[in-house]
Amino acid sequence: GENVEQHPSTLSVQEGDSAVIKCTYSDSASNYFPWYKQELGKGPQLIIDIRSNVGEKKDQRIAVTLNKTAKHFSLHITETQPEDSAVYFCAASFNKFYFGSGTKLNVKP
Amino acid sequence: DAGVIQSPRHEVTEMGQEVTLRCKPISGHDYLFWYRQTMMRGLELLIYFNNNVPIDDSGMPEDRFSAKMPNASFSTLKIQPSEPRDSAVYFCASTPRQLYGEKLFFGSGTQLSVL
Repeated sequence: GENVEQHPSTLSVQEGDSAVIKCTYSDSASNYFPWYKQELGKGPQLIIDIRSNVGEKKDQRIAVTLNKTAKHFSLHITETQPEDSAVYFCAASFNKFYFGSGTKLNVKP
Repeated sequence: DAGVIQSPRHEVTEMGQEVTLRCKPISGHDYLFWYRQTMMRGLELLIYFNNNVPIDDSGMPEDRFSAKMPNASFSTLKIQPSEPRDSAVYFCASTPRQLYGEKLFFGSGTQLSVL
């Protein structure tokens, strides 16, 4: 089956700086790559996703890039704000959703 | 829409007791998923339903776990008997049409503690 690895497990940045979270996957058949944000005491919520026919997607301060050849994709958050502090999960899917282990992002004011 | 609704939010029980977790998916969603979240194993898919029919239960850890979906608006996950290692956050999620390549809508989860 698919194996999704996510790094780093924790990330601390100063408000206004950029944050980058990286994921790799193993199954070349995976064709959908969502990113979820989980705030304390809540369920994960989709923040951005990308499909395998696209290399990059941007939505305001967040962007995702996909390198199909290398089988890795990344989440980029620019101009971070304290409310960006949360746990972020990547996932890869073809016939099932496989989630990464999560990255705890702390944005220091 | 109120989103995916789970109950209870917190459950504390003693080892050996039966635990029932409940989920109401978003109206019109055809797929319903049960996930378990722990620090050690992250988010694990336990089982999913399509139009109330269980499709894949390969993630259900043991026979102590069972899930049902008697109608399109209600599902339960039951653990009998419960054990301390079942302590985790259990999430229900639903999605409208396609199985994958589609946004998952998660509930707020049930924090289960088995003493």
